[in-house]
Amino acid sequence: DGGITQSPKYLFRKEGQNVTLSCEQNLNHDAMYWYRQDPGQGLRLIYYSQIVNDFQKGDIAEGYSVSREKKESFPLTVTSAQKNPTAFYLCASSMQGGKQPQHFGDGTRLSIL
Amino acid sequence: RKEVEQDPGPFNVPEGATVAFNCTYSNSASQSFFWYRQDCRKEPKLLMSVYSSGNEDGRFTAQLNRASQYISLLIRDSKLSDSATYLCVVSQPGGYNKLIFGAGTRLAVHP
Repeated sequence: DGGITQSPKYLFRKEGQNVTLSCEQNLNHDAMYWYRQDPGQGLRLIYYSQIVNDFQKGDIAEGYSVSREKKESFPLTVTSAQKNPTAFYLCASSMQGGKQPQHFGDGTRLSIL
Repeated sequence: RKEVEQDPGPFNVPEGATVAFNCTYSNSASQSFFWYRQDCRKEPKLLMSVYSSGNEDGRFTAQLNRASQYISLLIRDSKLSDSATYLCVVSQPGGYNKLIFGAGTRLAVHP
């Protein structure tokens, strides 16, 4: 089945630690995105990538980093510089061209230990 | 002003009721519009796209009013399984596929 897989489902971060969230898709989508969702708020864009080896900052990129070495994969690293990392992280992908709907993985919940 | 605004609810309705959600957006140049559904502690899932002429998918009807920058979602004959948060989503004009998500309207359908 085609889809987007995020792992792990739950992640705990110690202070000063970097953690990496995995996102893999087999939908053959060119574009991939990372969002953060906090309770009672809409999704906020962290980073996006329209093509392999290229990515751009979204609205709240500080304290995060990404890579896009393969079309299928778009991992997100939450660095120790992100002082309030507790949130629900969602990865999405979409086709290129026009304004396409985005399809989401089932998310990673990150908490601070 | 928020880019996409929705009434947070909750809307508490009995099974079988008709319920309508509204959404307003700030950028008149937006071109694409969607409704997503998000269950508690789950990812958003695309419910339907919204077309200028309005469109229907079973019990769900979406309408767009570009002049008023207003989008609506009507759910007829509500089911218990419709209980969820409904997200209004609007594309932002520009070079890439940026979507702006509303904070959502929560619906609770009771027996």
